[in-house]
Amino acid sequence: DQQVKQNSPSLSVQEGRISILNCDYTNSMFDYFLWYKKYPAEGPTFLISISSIKDKNEDGRFTVFLNKSAKHLSLHIVPSQPGDSAVYFCAACARGSTLGRLYFGRGTQLTVWP
Amino acid sequence: ETGVTQTPRHLVMGMTNKKSLKCEQHLGHNAMYWYKQSAKKPLELMFVYNFKEQTENNSVPSRFSPECPNSSHLFLHLHTLQPEDSALYLCASTSRLAGGLGDGANVLTFGAGSRLTVL
Repeated sequence: DQQVKQNSPSLSVQEGRISILNCDYTNSMFDYFLWYKKYPAEGPTFLISISSIKDKNEDGRFTVFLNKSAKHLSLHIVPSQPGDSAVYFCAACARGSTLGRLYFGRGTQLTVWP
Repeated sequence: ETGVTQTPRHLVMGMTNKKSLKCEQHLGHNAMYWYKQSAKKPLELMFVYNFKEQTENNSVPSRFSPECPNSSHLFLHLHTLQPEDSALYLCASTSRLAGGLGDGANVLTFGAGSRLTVL
C-alpha cells in the first residue's frame, strides 16, 4: 500500500511560468516532508523540506506548501527554467521511525520548454 | 572523490552468479542505507546501518546480503538473484548526529545508483 502518492507522472511547463508538483500522503504519522530532484544517470538530490509545524517553506525559486488536513503538499517552482527539467520525488517520514526511513512517491517528470 | 560513490554503475548477472555492489561515502556520515527502485515503483528502503551496525532490514530476501565494514563503506552482496530483482540500487548516507526531525537528519545524500539486470 503506497503511503506517498504522486498522481501526475509528468508535467510540461513553459519557461518562465510556474510549475506546481503535487503529492498526497495517507499516513497521519508523517510529520516531515522532503522533495528530491533526479537527473538521468544521477542519484536523487535534496531540494527542500518542510516540517509539519509549518505550512510553507521557501528557498529561492522553490516553495513547498503543506496542507495537513488534506494530507497534501505541493512544490512550486517560479519561474521555471529549462534546467529544472528532472524527475521530482516527494518523500515523507514519521516521528519515531528509523532515521533515514523515507517513504517516496513514484515521481513526476517535469519538462520545462523554452 | 566527494559525496557518495557507487560501483559498478551497471551490472548484468545471471541467476547463478555472485556479485557485489559497493558504496563509499566521503561526507563523514555515520548512517548508511540501501534503497531499491524497481520499474514503475517508488524507492523502497532495504537496509539501514548505523555506526556499522545493521539497525533495520525491511523484510529483504536473504539473497541480498549487506555488509558494512566501517562507517564509510557499504556493500550489497548478491547471490542467486531472480529476474524480478532487476532494479536501480541506491546507496545513501546521513549524519545521525544531527538529531531529531526537521534539522536535516533525515536528509539523505544519495549515490548515482547501480543499475542491475538479472538474466
